[in-house]
Amino acid sequence: NAGVMQNPRHLVRRRGQEARLRCSPMKGHSHVYWYRQLPEEGLKFMVYLQKENIIDESGMPKERFSAEFPKEGPSILRIQQVVRGDSAAYFCASSPPATRTEAFFGQGTRLTVV
Amino acid sequence: DAKTTQPPSMDCAEGRAANLPCNHSTISGNEYVYWYRQIHSQGPQYIIHGLKNNETNEMASLIITEDRKSSTLILPHATLRDTAVYYCIVRAPAQGAQKLVFGQGTRLTINP
Repeated sequence: NAGVMQNPRHLVRRRGQEARLRCSPMKGHSHVYWYRQLPEEGLKFMVYLQKENIIDESGMPKERFSAEFPKEGPSILRIQQVVRGDSAAYFCASSPPATRTEAFFGQGTRLTVV
Repeated sequence: DAKTTQPPSMDCAEGRAANLPCNHSTISGNEYVYWYRQIHSQGPQYIIHGLKNNETNEMASLIITEDRKSSTLILPHATLRDTAVYYCIVRAPAQGAQKLVFGQGTRLTINP
């Protein structure tokens, strides 16, 4: 059973470009979470999605950031018009549709804005 | 979710047991204690969780005090690969809600 797959592992974007980060959850997992870790800082929750629904986006910046988890295919975290401050590691986690279960994390996408 | 307090850093000799404490004095009855670790820039790795009984798996043991206000994660025979930041998280599970609030954790260094 493959783990949570994130791609790309490293992404370089120029200021003003768009960044698209993909996350394929573990088989059988229908819940996806995105976290951001700024350099030398802790992990911060961004958004929680179930298939085709955003459940909690309380940690998402109000502008330029969006996330989706379509019925088919991976979850996408999209950052429009990237700025240097968006440079960070973005981690995705998934869990099955049940309570009291742990979440499994991918290896992250390291976004560098130049 | 209840707040947790962990020492910022700890050292342990290779081959010895590493005991990582966590205080969660405001924990409520339905909140679980979860432990994760993050090895240098990798994705966080789930270790163990428990409600009130002590738990053990292939990675570690979790000892929760009877009043549930504190817990200890035990790595029985620490290796150099256990060097990581360890996070203690307390949360009440809701339907499908696995949102985790990470604090600063404990930076554990295993010394040869």
